[in-house]
Amino acid sequence: DGGITQSPKYLFRKEGQNVTLSCEQNLNHDAMYWYRQDPGQGLRLIYYSQIVNDFQKGDIAEGYSVSREKKESFPLTVTSAQKNPTAFYLCASSPRTGGVTQYFGPGTRLLVL
Amino acid sequence: RKEVEQDPGPFNVPEGATVAFNCTYSNSASQSFFWYRQDCRKEPKLLMSVYSSGNEDGRFTAQLNRASQYISLLIRDSKLSDSATYLCVVPPWGYSTLTFGKGTMLLVSP
Repeated sequence: DGGITQSPKYLFRKEGQNVTLSCEQNLNHDAMYWYRQDPGQGLRLIYYSQIVNDFQKGDIAEGYSVSREKKESFPLTVTSAQKNPTAFYLCASSPRTGGVTQYFGPGTRLLVL
Repeated sequence: RKEVEQDPGPFNVPEGATVAFNCTYSNSASQSFFWYRQDCRKEPKLLMSVYSSGNEDGRFTAQLNRASQYISLLIRDSKLSDSATYLCVVPPWGYSTLTFGKGTMLLVSP
C-alpha cells in the first residue's frame, strides 16, 4: 500500500538531547513537509523540501534541522536548541509544491522529560 | 486580518442536524482551497477541495465566495462519526506551501 509512515509514534526526550523523527513515503512525491501542532493550535510549518538535496525553512525552523538525501525520506531532527519541543509532529508529502493536496503521515508525539 | 480564520467552536449538534462552518481568508489571489478533517489525536485527512462552482460529495457541500473571501462547509444529516475538527486550508498565491486554519470542532450527539 502506498502511503507515508512516521516513526516512532511516541518519543521521549531528555533535556539537552537531540532526537530524530523519521518520515518515509512511497508515493513517489517530490515535495515533503514537516509541521508542528500544539493543543488548540493549527499546523505550523517547520521545513519543506521540493526536491532531493534541497529544503527551505518554514515559519518556525529555529531549533530544527532536516535532510533530504533520498526522495522517499525526510527526517527531522529536534535539537537541544528547541526550547519547547513537546508537540505533535506531522510529516506530509505532495506530488509538487503549491496549491495541491498534501497527504499526512500518522504523526509522532514528542514529550520532553 | 489573519491569513486564515475559523471559529474554533465547538459546534454541538444532534444527530440528523445540518451544520455549516465558514472560513475567511486574507489573500484575494488564492486560487485553491481545501477542507481537511482531523480526528482527535490523528493526522489531518483531505475531506474535499473547494472549486469556484462549489463542490458536493454526499452529505457535504463546500462553497467559495470570492467577493467576501470566505469558504464554507455544509454538513447535512449529521452522523456521530462526523465529530471531528475541520481545518480550512488556503495556499497563498505564489507560495509553495499551504496555510492551515486552527480548525472548527464539531461534536455530534445522539
